[in-house]
Amino acid sequence: EAQVTQNPRYLITVTGKKLTVTCSQNMNHEYMSWYRQDPGLGLRQIYYSMNVEVTDKGDVPEGYKVSRKEKRNFPLILESPSPNQTSLYFCASSTQYRDRRHGYTFGSGTRLTVV
Amino acid sequence: AQTVTQSQPEMSVQEAETVTLSCTYDTSESDYYLFWYKQPPSRQMILVIRQEAYKQQNATENRFSVNFQKAAKSFSLKISDSQLGDAAMYFCAYRSVANGNQFYFGTGTSLTVIP
Repeated sequence: EAQVTQNPRYLITVTGKKLTVTCSQNMNHEYMSWYRQDPGLGLRQIYYSMNVEVTDKGDVPEGYKVSRKEKRNFPLILESPSPNQTSLYFCASSTQYRDRRHGYTFGSGTRLTVV
Repeated sequence: AQTVTQSQPEMSVQEAETVTLSCTYDTSESDYYLFWYKQPPSRQMILVIRQEAYKQQNATENRFSVNFQKAAKSFSLKISDSQLGDAAMYFCAYRSVANGNQFYFGTGTSLTVIP
């Protein structure tokens, strides 16, 4: 089954404790992206990657890191989480060049709470 | 950057009635893709319908249809014969062709279906 697998679904952590949210897709998509969703603000892009070893900042990159060492994986790293990073996070992937009309395939989301 | 505006934060509809969710966007591009995504309480993001800008014909998927007005930069979603399962947050999205295939999302419309 074609899918984006995102883990964990829920995470509660303390301020300053490094964490990683994993994202993996099995569709050979070039384009991957991370979003955070907050009430009234919709989906805001954190980082995106157009291919292996190619990443770029989105609209709200501060406090986050990403890497794209393999095509299928695109982890989101919070080196020192703070309470303002409490949010719902989505990983998404898409083709970059062909069949762009198919849009995004989303992961199931990660509800992160930083206390 | 392109902007996507959903001016209705909340909407409600009686079961079996029709409702229209509005979406406008700002772009100077002539070729792009438009999408509506549904996010039910399960929080999974589900593609509802898509429209290619070069196609004049409005897309239709069962009870869901769009009114695409390219000159007005408008992309509304019509849900006919509304069902309880249609209750969700709906996001309008724009995918650029020229700008690295970037996606831009609106802030969402929360739809309530009244039995």
